[in-house]
Amino acid sequence: GESVGLHLPTLSVQEGDNSIINCAYSNSASDYFIWYKQESGKGPQFIIDIRSNMDKRQGQRVTVLLNKTVKHLSLQIAATQPGDSAVYFCAENSGYSTLTFGKGTMLLVSP
Amino acid sequence: EAQVTQNPRYLITVTGKKLTVTCSQNMNHEYMSWYRQDPGLGLRQIYYSMNVEVTDKGDVPEGYKVSRKEKRNFPLILESPSPNQTSLYFCASSLTGSTEAFFGQGTRLTVV
Repeated sequence: GESVGLHLPTLSVQEGDNSIINCAYSNSASDYFIWYKQESGKGPQFIIDIRSNMDKRQGQRVTVLLNKTVKHLSLQIAATQPGDSAVYFCAENSGYSTLTFGKGTMLLVSP
Repeated sequence: EAQVTQNPRYLITVTGKKLTVTCSQNMNHEYMSWYRQDPGLGLRQIYYSMNVEVTDKGDVPEGYKVSRKEKRNFPLILESPSPNQTSLYFCASSLTGSTEAFFGQGTRLTVV
């Protein structure tokens, strides 16, 4: 079947590089944001989240930055590994009891 | 292990033959939802349920039905499937609609 990765913007990096994946969100009232990772043949998996009262949050090898002024979210992955190859989605909660997902970015990591 | 379980993982069916995709979660979550994922369109919500016996339409509900008779189960029903419902379907659950969603492994449906 056709991969969900087709038609997506793609970021290609070398193993060991730092990766930055960007997301523009639509609703200035959104107060909660999540990054998901989706590997081929699997469902999306939670990576990290951030609330609108923060502008940065760090996890293990990942950092999320939130710029509310320009409605921009980014995911930084340090020392990218081949196992990080996947589609990455941002999601926002705009207060309507549901999450709205971005279309995603495919990350390809070369050894 | 906390999980969302969908069945079947793969299904090929013919136009008009009713089918049900099951979804079950073991995290006692109030909120459950169904999404379809299509190339270039991302995840689009079909239906969601905020609690038992409470269901609401998402962005693309046409041609689908759901029910929420028990907290843990949220089946997706296609009464008369059509080829434009060929897609990858995900069930998800969360504490509320605005918190981290846990996804199932997906069901790839092909309607011929």
